[in-house]
Order: sequence, then C-alpha cells, then structure tokens
Amino acid sequence: NAGVTQTPKFQVLKTGQSMTLQCAQDMNHEYMSWYRQDPGMGLRLIHYSVGAGITDQGEVPNGYNVSRSTTEDFPLRLLSAAPSQTSVYFCASSAGTVRSGANVLTFGAGSRLTVL
Amino acid sequence: AQSVAQPEDQVNVAEGNPLTVKCTYSVSGNPYLFWYVQYPNRGLQFLLKYITGDNLVKGSYGFEAEFNKSQTSFHLKKPSALVSDSALYFCAVRDQTGANNLFFGTGTRLTVIP
Repeated sequence: NAGVTQTPKFQVLKTGQSMTLQCAQDMNHEYMSWYRQDPGMGLRLIHYSVGAGITDQGEVPNGYNVSRSTTEDFPLRLLSAAPSQTSVYFCASSAGTVRSGANVLTFGAGSRLTVL
Repeated sequence: AQSVAQPEDQVNVAEGNPLTVKCTYSVSGNPYLFWYVQYPNRGLQFLLKYITGDNLVKGSYGFEAEFNKSQTSFHLKKPSALVSDSALYFCAVRDQTGANNLFFGTGTRLTVIP
C-alpha cells in the first residue's frame, strides 16, 4: 500500500517563481489536508478538503492555492514563492469527517522547499 | 479557539526509565486528543487518541496517555524507555470546524540515553 505520496521530496525555488507540490492517496479517503512544519512552531494547517470539489482555508492559507478535482489528488500551488514559504510541507488524509468520528490522519513523507 | 501547549522543548531520559511528555489543551466542548511521533526525515505517525471513555488510553509501541479533564492535560507516558523511542512528539487537538483538522502543539524532542 502506497498510502500518501508526496512529490517532489526536495525543491529549491527563486523568489517569485511558482510551483506545485503534488499529493496523492490510494486509500479512497474523503478528507485531505496540507500542513507546513517550521522549527518551534509545530504543524500549521494551510488548506483542507472534505471531498472532491470542496476546499477550505486553514490557519495559514495566504500565498497558497489548492484544488480537489478527484478523490485521490490534492495539489498545493505556490503562486509566487517568498522566502517565508521555506518550510517542510506535509500532506495528510483520513477516511472521513466528523460524522465518522475522530479519524486518524495518515501523513506523507514530506516535501522540503527552500525559497531563495 | 483551541490551543495545545507542550511546555518542554526537550526531554532526556535514561534507557529503561519511565518517560513522560507533557501536553495541556484548551478547547470548547469535548476534546478529541491525539499523539503523533515523527522520526528524522519522516512524516508523522499516529500513536494514540482519546475520544471518550476510559481516561487511560493505550497506543502503539507501548505508549499510553492519561486524559485529565480537570487539569486539561493529556500526558504521554511509557513505563520503560527505549533508545529507539528517540524522536519528535506532537500533541494535537481536533479543531472546531467539523472537519478532521488537527491543531498541533510545537513538539517535544525526546532523547533516550543508552
């Protein structure tokens, strides 16, 4: 089982460039989300989706865009990269939402992004 | 709004000794609480969760956590630490949006000394 797959694992960008971090899950999970991890700040939620065609903002959405055209994929787009977006990004998914109880998140291995 | 506090950035414990990693929370209504572990260059892995019921929750790798409503705490414990338990530990609470969003603490780095 592949679980949650993130690509690329590493990326270096210049300020102002755009890019997309890919996330795919093969568990037919309804819920998907993106977090960023920064030293001393834990993980902060960027965007999330409770199903195909539905997305919403998390705690730190500025500078990021998402879409959910299929159940499997949830790409994160950086519109114009800034040094403040240097971070490790994690995609996570789970089987359901609050109606299904407190489902456990399955995390990808992470994507390390450096913006120069 | 919800919040999670992990008051210790670093916890050191000798191998074979009991370990405790502390977590306190603030949330409206009944809390849904979680512990995750992160090994170097890996994603987070689920350890255990508290939803309702017994205040002592048992999880993976011999870890357990005690939910204390009056102290709003959810400390992670293990009776006998292993060197392989050295990792970054995160406490989390589910937020109030109705989705499965988790609000994480800042993490505690556990080092088990041989």
